[in-house]
Amino acid sequence: LAKTTQPISMDSYEGQEVNITCSHNNIATNDYITWYQQFPSQGPRFIIQGYKTKVTNEVASLFIPADRKSSTLSLPRVSLSDTAVYYCLVGDPNDYKLSFGAGTTVTVRA
Amino acid sequence: GAVVSQHPSWVICKSGTSVKIECRSLDFQATTMFWYRQFPKQSLMLMATSNEGSKATYEQGVEKDKFLINHASLTLSTLTVTSAHPEDSSFYICSAVGRNYEQYFGPGTRLTVT
Repeated sequence: LAKTTQPISMDSYEGQEVNITCSHNNIATNDYITWYQQFPSQGPRFIIQGYKTKVTNEVASLFIPADRKSSTLSLPRVSLSDTAVYYCLVGDPNDYKLSFGAGTTVTVRA
Repeated sequence: GAVVSQHPSWVICKSGTSVKIECRSLDFQATTMFWYRQFPKQSLMLMATSNEGSKATYEQGVEKDKFLINHASLTLSTLTVTSAHPEDSSFYICSAVGRNYEQYFGPGTRLTVT
């Protein structure tokens, strides 16, 4: 499983865009990049997954450069309820085992 | 969307007793489920892989005789913490793999051993 590095914490204000970058220099050819969100005392929730270029869904966008050694999760116009820990995971979808890193604690302030 | 439930959501037990935690996939079948443990302000740590109809696979450092896992059906996996001690107090989270290979996580179970 590829090791990932992401900032420990980020602060933002309501209405701003939050971008969290994750480094994964040893990503393998079959690996996908997946982001999860976790609120205190809850299980992680799937946010978005991608392989290359850009993926967008109703809650976030994921930008992946051509070399795939990093990725950026973009949360548009955050609200207080987006305060959570965000985990970047890299792995082969056919290998279901997930390895969670330290995650990024995002704090949104009014 | 796919839903995974856990029961109980929280439990307090005395040291030396055993506690069973259930993980259910409510609207899909899961041949593979995972059990994680999370200590306060730490990340999730994978404990074991639960496969329906076969023995669980434990991660290095996890005692299989202490954390008994049974995956008796395609919708239910159980984790039994045997002879619990205060250091076993933690947040236990399960996940289930759905048809599209996505993992769906349960809400977690808070275990406190006194």
